[in-house]
Amino acid sequence: GDSVTQMEGPVTLSEEACLTINCTYTATGYPSLFWYVQYPGEGLQLLLKATKADDKGSNKGFEATYRKETTSFHLEKGSVQVSDSAVYFCALTAGSGNTGKLIFGQGTTLQVKP
Amino acid sequence: EAGVAQSPRYKIIEKRQSVAFWCNPISGHATLYWYQQILGQGPKLLIQFQNNGVVDDSQLPKDRFSAERLKGVDSTLKIQPAKLEDSAVYLCASSLFRGGLSNEQFFGPGTRLTVL
Repeated sequence: GDSVTQMEGPVTLSEEACLTINCTYTATGYPSLFWYVQYPGEGLQLLLKATKADDKGSNKGFEATYRKETTSFHLEKGSVQVSDSAVYFCALTAGSGNTGKLIFGQGTTLQVKP
Repeated sequence: EAGVAQSPRYKIIEKRQSVAFWCNPISGHATLYWYQQILGQGPKLLIQFQNNGVVDDSQLPKDRFSAERLKGVDSTLKIQPAKLEDSAVYLCASSLFRGGLSNEQFFGPGTRLTVL
């Protein structure tokens, strides 16, 4: 079945460091891909999305490119801030017969130190 | 615009007891989802409603879990009887439409359940 695999956490970075969180997926058809973020004490929020191959999603300085050939959707940011500390989830919705159901990876905790 | 509301935020019960969670989606959202998030894992879909009909409940443990969405608005998820492995955060989400490439789901703050 469809699945998402994320790199293990936690990831600890200093402020202004570069961030990459790896995400790969397995899916039939042509899924849409998402990154959700969960800040401490808050609900899940959509960070960015891409709906077809080679699309780049971006928001708040974060970017991710839908790579069909490598089945990946890695999250990147050039300079992280303390306020980016959160848990990040990669997710997909199935292509054909899409009901909107999200399939999530296990999440990656990011801690940014000043 | 008001977000997805859930209550209670926290619940502690003993095994074999029953518990119910409530969710009020964003006004006008036809689709409602219940996810279970066990500590250290990503959320997993339990059940999906389109208006007041069930779209997908393939991952719902039907011997102990039940859910309803009367009148196609708010929803209740019940566990009876609870087991230790039901300890998790229960997330409710809603979206305007079912499926589609632009289907953004909006999540509530969740209910954290601890079963002792």
